[in-house]
Amino acid sequence: DTGVSQDPRHKITKRGQNVTFRCDPISEHNRLYWYRQTLGQGPEFLTYFQNEAQLEKSRLLSDRFSAERPKGSFSTLEIQRTEQGDSAMYLCASSSDTTRGYEQYFGPGTRLTVT
Amino acid sequence: AQTVTQSQPEMSVQEAETVTLSCTYDTSESNYYLFWYKQPPSRQMILVIRQEAYKQQNATENRFSVNFQKAAKSFSLKISDSQLGDTAMYFCAFITQGGSEKLVFGKGTKLTVNP
Repeated sequence: DTGVSQDPRHKITKRGQNVTFRCDPISEHNRLYWYRQTLGQGPEFLTYFQNEAQLEKSRLLSDRFSAERPKGSFSTLEIQRTEQGDSAMYLCASSSDTTRGYEQYFGPGTRLTVT
Repeated sequence: AQTVTQSQPEMSVQEAETVTLSCTYDTSESNYYLFWYKQPPSRQMILVIRQEAYKQQNATENRFSVNFQKAAKSFSLKISDSQLGDTAMYFCAFITQGGSEKLVFGKGTKLTVNP
């Protein structure tokens, strides 16, 4: 069990550019979540995958955001035409149908700074 | 609406002493799980303790225990024998059983343990 990994850990981009983040869940976990955490706030849910199917999306996930999970393994989160308001920590978490008590395991996050 | 309120933005405690972090939540669901997550500075979020709403007995994990008052929708965390390594942001969260897969977080309490 190597834990949830995210890449990159930090990303600085200019407004208007596109960025893509990757999340590798714990290998046997079929559920994958993306959250966004801004300074001084708790994480806010963005989207959820069960295997390769995206089953739930938050209204926070504007049309500039897209997430995929091909083959039900790793996931990518892409932000197009970044805005300064997109600056945040993007957290990935995973769990399985057998995870005790709905516990989600979090990755270290990708900190995005839009200049 | 589903919300979590942590009324203490910051707290401090002396090493070896006991501290209690407050949390109230709001949900119309009757079956859910409650969590306290710890996020150390620049490190990933980890689960501290979990409580099933259908259980009356308060959960304990070593030095960590909760006071769960379902009628009052209150879920406080007590840390006994505080250690320097307990310094972190603490987030209260819940997830409903059989409903949305998202964790709903509070804004967090920044706990500092002083030597």
